[in-house]
Amino acid sequence: QSALTQPASVSGSPGQSITISCTGTSSDVGGYSHVSWYQHHPGKAPKLMIYEVNNRPSGISNRFSGSKSGNTASLTISGLLAEDEADYYCSSYTSSTTWVFGGGTKLTVL
Amino acid sequence: EVHLVESGGGLVQPGGSLRLSCAASGFTFSAYSMHWVRQAPGKGLEWLSYINSNSGGIYYADSVKGRFTISRDNAKNSLFLQMNSLRAEDTAVYYCARDWTWACDIWGQGTMVTVSS
Repeated sequence: QSALTQPASVSGSPGQSITISCTGTSSDVGGYSHVSWYQHHPGKAPKLMIYEVNNRPSGISNRFSGSKSGNTASLTISGLLAEDEADYYCSSYTSSTTWVFGGGTKLTVL
Repeated sequence: EVHLVESGGGLVQPGGSLRLSCAASGFTFSAYSMHWVRQAPGKGLEWLSYINSNSGGIYYADSVKGRFTISRDNAKNSLFLQMNSLRAEDTAVYYCARDWTWACDIWGQGTMVTVSS
């Protein structure tokens, strides 16, 4: 149950787009469509941003999009806003009937 | 409004036990599977355990298997996590979360557990 691999940090200016990668194996990310992404502001509850690779829950801005290729999933945020600054985590269901999170990526809006 | 509220956290000595609770409201609790997830200080999110709606499917992360037990009481809209043989590395904020299409769509605010002598 090794954590999925995410970059420790990414940054972008307001209005720009950024992409966060999430690399796993064929036993998790590559083997299932059950990949999700979470936004986490310190001290608050995590928030589901993307589920099933590329689906947005109701109320989530279409500036957030997800994709997957092989063992790597990606979260893209377009039109960066200051309020997007947060930690982002990917997660995947695994072949062991467990779930695994990525190590997290700190997004800084410059 | 849909809510999850965790309780039961606190300070416990190494080797001790603690039982966390998660009270659900605003949705039909008995129809949903649930998860426990934690975040240690300065660390990322770690998935711990899953229980399906009728308690017929239960799964654990290797890090807590054999020490933690997940359970639920659908009549009381409550989820539980019994934590035994606690270690310093179990110090974390513990969240309960509702499962929806293999993701966690609703989260509580968390309860802090500190394992220290």
